[in-house]
Amino acid sequence: DAGVIQSPRHEVTEMGQEVTLRCKPISGHDYLFWYRQTMMRGLELLIYFNNNVPIDDSGMPEDRFSAKMPNASFSTLKIQPSEPRDSAVYFCASSFPGGGTGELFFGEGSRLTVL
Amino acid sequence: AQKVTQAQTEISVVEKEDVTLDCVYETRDTTYYLFWYKQPPSGELVFLIRRNSFDEQNEISGRYSWNFQKSTSSFNFTITASQVVDSAVYFCALSKLYGNKLVFGAGTILRVKS
Repeated sequence: DAGVIQSPRHEVTEMGQEVTLRCKPISGHDYLFWYRQTMMRGLELLIYFNNNVPIDDSGMPEDRFSAKMPNASFSTLKIQPSEPRDSAVYFCASSFPGGGTGELFFGEGSRLTVL
Repeated sequence: AQKVTQAQTEISVVEKEDVTLDCVYETRDTTYYLFWYKQPPSGELVFLIRRNSFDEQNEISGRYSWNFQKSTSSFNFTITASQVVDSAVYFCALSKLYGNKLVFGAGTILRVKS
């Protein structure tokens, strides 16, 4: 079975450019999460969706960040304009219906470098 | 608010030694889940265990064991007879019983030397 699929795996861009990260959750999962990992702040939850609806976006750093989930099989995290401090590994994760198990299945991450 | 503290930033051991990774958590919820995830050098996050707050029984899986003590809000992880392949960053995490929103600790880097 395919796991959570993220693209791109690596992205290098210049400050000010728009960045779009993509995620395909595991089929049948109804929760989708975006996490960011940095040395300084560790793993931070940015936003999560349930049944394609954003439930909690309190972790989104600022208005430059936006996330969408147009359907059950696709989500994007967009940064516009990007800044060097956005450099991090961004993980997407999904989990089983109903939220009762708690286990998240993570993608391999998208490593973003903003120069 | 929920919080997870992994006080050990980095641990180095020699192969075959036992090692315990500490995890202390804070939550106002009476029911919750605790987790351990492993992040090997390749970067992906691998689920190791989930424990719910109803069940304080310790668990053993091969060389791995977990000690959950609600009285001290701790969920420690022990690797017996460590191996080089155990070298990774290990994260402890906490979530409410529903919603699956995980709060992670800062992680402990484990280096196992041959």
